[in-house]
Amino acid sequence: DVKVTQSSRYLVKRTGEKVFLECVQDMDHENMFWYRQDPGLGLRLIYFSYDVKMKEKGDIPEGYSVSREKKERFSLILESASTNQTSMYLCASSHMTGYRNEQFFGPGTRLTVL
Amino acid sequence: AQTVTQSQPEMSVQEAETVTLSCTYDTSESDYYLFWYKQPPSRQMILVIRQEAYKQQNATENRFSVNFQKAAKSFSLKISDSQLGDAAMYFCAYRRGGNNNDMRFGAGTRLTVKP
Repeated sequence: DVKVTQSSRYLVKRTGEKVFLECVQDMDHENMFWYRQDPGLGLRLIYFSYDVKMKEKGDIPEGYSVSREKKERFSLILESASTNQTSMYLCASSHMTGYRNEQFFGPGTRLTVL
Repeated sequence: AQTVTQSQPEMSVQEAETVTLSCTYDTSESDYYLFWYKQPPSRQMILVIRQEAYKQQNATENRFSVNFQKAAKSFSLKISDSQLGDAAMYFCAYRRGGNNNDMRFGAGTRLTVKP
């Protein structure tokens, strides 16, 4: 059974803190993604990675960085959390090739920055 | 840039009835794929149905079917015999063909199912 897991379901941090969100997939997928989900805006891509140590910016990378040291793990880092980063964060993964490649999602992390 | 529009923020349906969720998209590509994802309350997002743009036949998956109108760039989802478990946020998504990784999502439609 395919699985994408995220380190926390709920997280509360203070402004200025460094925040790590971790995502692990067990499907040997090449691609991994971080999205931010906000009401009325749908899902917006922050960063994605198509291989270990490779990353590309999505639509809203400002204020975020990522790390992929192992194929199965993709981390999202908020260097200095701000209140406007309060949101739901979704991780996803997919195979690189294959025209039918769907993205598989994790359960999400609801981050609140006070 | 490709955009995906879901014009219905909220919809409701009576149990056992049929409901249609709307989605339009904007693209200049000829090779692309369209998806409907379901996000139940406090649960993971899952794929409901997908459609390849080159296929004229509308995709179906049990009670879920799509009405794909390529010329109109419309991709609606029909849920027949609605069940309480269908209550969720539904997202329409677009992806270009090839090994492109960029998937675009609509804002979502919250579906309520009334018993």
